[in-house]
Amino acid sequence: LAKTTQPISMDSYEGQEVNITCSHNNIATNDYITWYQQFPSQGPRFIIQGYKTKVTNEVASLFIPADRKSSTLSLPRVSLSDTAVYYCLVGDSGTASKLTFGTGTRLQVTL
Amino acid sequence: DTGVSQDPRHKITKRGQNVTFRCDPISEHNRLYWYRQTLGQGPEFLTYFQNEAQLEKSRLLSDRFSAERPKGSFSTLEIQRTEQGDSAMYLCASSLEHGKNTEAFFGQGTRLTVV
Repeated sequence: LAKTTQPISMDSYEGQEVNITCSHNNIATNDYITWYQQFPSQGPRFIIQGYKTKVTNEVASLFIPADRKSSTLSLPRVSLSDTAVYYCLVGDSGTASKLTFGTGTRLQVTL
Repeated sequence: DTGVSQDPRHKITKRGQNVTFRCDPISEHNRLYWYRQTLGQGPEFLTYFQNEAQLEKSRLLSDRFSAERPKGSFSTLEIQRTEQGDSAMYLCASSLEHGKNTEAFFGQGTRLTVV
């Protein structure tokens, strides 16, 4: 599975847009990019998944450049409740046999 | 359906004792995963089932660990002769595989403390 690299932590003020970038230089042709969010003492929660270009849902947007060696999770107008750890995962499509989490990015949102 | 359910939420046990955790996945999901998470780290894969078949086990899953999923519904994870290093959050997740990457739904975990 492709290894991912993302910042250890980020800080933001409430109401700002937050962009978290993940590097995955060894991404394979069949790999999808998936982001999860985790609050303390809870299991991770799926945010968004994409293969290329841009994906948007009600929570976030995911930007993937043409070479797919990186991706950016964009959270519009964050609130205090968005304070969490965000994980970028890269995995094989079709089987999704397991998810390989890194250490994630700890986002702290303040007033 | 209220999602993936894990029981107990917390477990404190003495070193050397056996413990068993239960996971009830989302009812129509055919895949079930177990992960372990220690403080400050992301979850680490332990094992997964496709229906009742255990298809993969991580090297993290020592001989003291065993997981079952009888009848392809709920699953149990047993740790025998617990050690202090087993203290962690044990997470269960389930998903419905239908030919492409799908999202996994996680339970709230069982926090194990070995004293």
